[in-house]
Amino acid sequence: DSGVTQTPKHLITATGQRVTLRCSPRSGDLSVYWYQQSLDQGLQFLIQYYNGEERAKGNILERFSAQQFPDLHSELNLSSLELGDSALYFCASTGEGRREETQYFGPGTRLLVL
Amino acid sequence: KNQVEQSPQSLIILEGKNCTLQCNYTVSPFSNLRWYKQDTGRGPVSLTIMTFSENTKSNGRYTATLDADTKQSSLHITASQLSDSASYICVVWAGGSYIPTFGRGTSLIVHP
Repeated sequence: DSGVTQTPKHLITATGQRVTLRCSPRSGDLSVYWYQQSLDQGLQFLIQYYNGEERAKGNILERFSAQQFPDLHSELNLSSLELGDSALYFCASTGEGRREETQYFGPGTRLLVL
Repeated sequence: KNQVEQSPQSLIILEGKNCTLQCNYTVSPFSNLRWYKQDTGRGPVSLTIMTFSENTKSNGRYTATLDADTKQSSLHITASQLSDSASYICVVWAGGSYIPTFGRGTSLIVHP
């Protein structure tokens, strides 16, 4: 158990819908990362937050948005869902958000868009 | 463009045998390289982190090497166990960037 929690574990929805994925970092960690893992693309970095502020943005679609709240949990919002958004979504946390730190990954949310 | 290539794509070995996984990268400037183990349907778990000055780092039966000149890394697994069956992912971080570059992973299956 990494100490990072993600909810829900599974999510099935229809095209065009909007969903929210939630992540709680390890106790004391200030930085949260979001990743998407699909069968054909592998793991891809989406976005990083540090202490409530966006720090880095990767290949995140405009239909996707995220935020980190004062209690340090983070949410990833996916809207106007398409079939291709079906994937595993992971969040990871580190203490200070530095490149050298070990990232601790949550168990993931499996999203299926029908 | 920063890229990380892993080989082989998949590998099947017998329990107790050794194996070596490869990772080549074009990320520049280099900051650090990590190897992750990912069991099916679970989040990746860090095995090793290597910086520019490190050539070898071990974590139990896992030994990672880094050649920063040729931009190559390898992960050697000794005396494989059934529980080693997983995907092994190489990730490289560039200096001055918070965006990691991931390899596609090597899928390892260990047979009894």
